[in-house]
Amino acid sequence: SSELTQDPAVSVALGQTVRITCQGDSLRSYYASWYQQKPGQAPVLVIYGKNNRPSGIPDRFSGSSSGNTASLTITGAQAEDEADYYCNSRDSSGNHPWVFGGGTKLTVL
Amino acid sequence: QVQLVQSGAEVKKPGASVKVSCKASGYTFTGYYMHWVRQAPGQGLEWMGWINPNSGGTNYAQKFQGRVTMTRDTSISTAYMELSRLRSDDTAVYYCARNYDILTGPDYYYYMDVWGKGTTVTVSS
Repeated sequence: SSELTQDPAVSVALGQTVRITCQGDSLRSYYASWYQQKPGQAPVLVIYGKNNRPSGIPDRFSGSSSGNTASLTITGAQAEDEADYYCNSRDSSGNHPWVFGGGTKLTVL
Repeated sequence: QVQLVQSGAEVKKPGASVKVSCKASGYTFTGYYMHWVRQAPGQGLEWMGWINPNSGGTNYAQKFQGRVTMTRDTSISTAYMELSRLRSDDTAVYYCARNYDILTGPDYYYYMDVWGKGTTVTVSS
């Protein structure tokens, strides 16, 4: 079955760099997109494609991809970056045309 | 600006149905597929399906086939998601999200660029 795997939790010291990863077979064919979700709020797109940020997303957010792994990097993490992060991609091999990762809870210390 | 406005919270009994609406504004409704995604309390995001507002064509996640129906009314730029035979584990926040795809050079990008604020559906006897 198709799926995307993320670490459940990651922590980073304020101002340091953190990488959140997402693994899955679908990522060999499709780019991941990344969403930030804060408590009680809807998800917000932060990275899409090879490494693209929507308008309004700070440039400390970046994305990369290699093989079956996509990564979201926050360079100089801020307190307001504490949130859940989800990866997502198209998927042509499984039962769902789209698949989400299980999410990573980022704590900024 | 592009906006998706969802209907209000619902409380339903097991076995009932719920219909959630998502009104789009700020763009051509028929030009973009619409996803439905749900999130159970304390859980992650789960893709339910999508609808092509232009044709009405749908594609549902296997888990929901037979219970979910996605429709649209192009005259009022609104998408709907109806879930039937509700169970307690259908208690969740239901989101609509606009699909965006673009060909950039050799690469095709697919993503959900705008989300509604969510509709809480509580299933309880």
